[in-house]
Amino acid sequence: EAGVTQFPSHSVIEKGQTVTLRCDPISGHDNLYWYRRVMGKEIKFLLHFVKESKQDESGMPNNRFLAERTGGTYSTLKVQPAELEDSGVYFCASSLRRGATNEKLFFGSGTQLSVL
Amino acid sequence: GNSVTQMEGPVTLSEEAFLTINCTYTATGYPSLFWYVQYPGEGLQLLLKATKADDKGSNKGFEATYRKETTSFHLEKGSVQVSDSAVYFCALSDLFSGGYNKLIFGAGTRLAVHP
Repeated sequence: EAGVTQFPSHSVIEKGQTVTLRCDPISGHDNLYWYRRVMGKEIKFLLHFVKESKQDESGMPNNRFLAERTGGTYSTLKVQPAELEDSGVYFCASSLRRGATNEKLFFGSGTQLSVL
Repeated sequence: GNSVTQMEGPVTLSEEAFLTINCTYTATGYPSLFWYVQYPGEGLQLLLKATKADDKGSNKGFEATYRKETTSFHLEKGSVQVSDSAVYFCALSDLFSGGYNKLIFGAGTRLAVHP
């Protein structure tokens, strides 16, 4: 069974450009999460989808970030326009059901974003 | 608010040495506690977890005990191997302030084990 897949693995862009990150969760997983790690610091929650609906987007830093999950399958995270402080590793994770204490969260290997 | 503090790295050890990575937390509710590991080139993987006070999580020779009185969840392994070289993240989640999979992570501790 395929795991959580993220594209691209690395992206280097200039300040002011637009970048779109993609996440394919494990098939059948309703819950999809975005996290990011900036400058080697803490990994921070960005948002949570349940199917196609945004359940919690309290971690989104500002309106330059737009996440979508059309059809409740894969998700995209667009940064427009990108700023230097957006550099970091963006992780996607998925899980089957929400809330159960035995629920396992599966992470992708991340997208390393560098804004120059 | 909830937070996690873990010891800064890198931690450099010789093979078969004893490992401790300290983790303390601040939480207003009754959090679940986790250790995640990221091996080079891979995604985060759950290493172990504990969901209530005094629980001990264990996996692959690693263990951590949920200590409510000291708000700690230190990771230990009696004899590390070169293959344990990775970045280790302590994390918590609170069902009452975000849900089980809305994780709050520490900054990560890089472990390098040499032969």
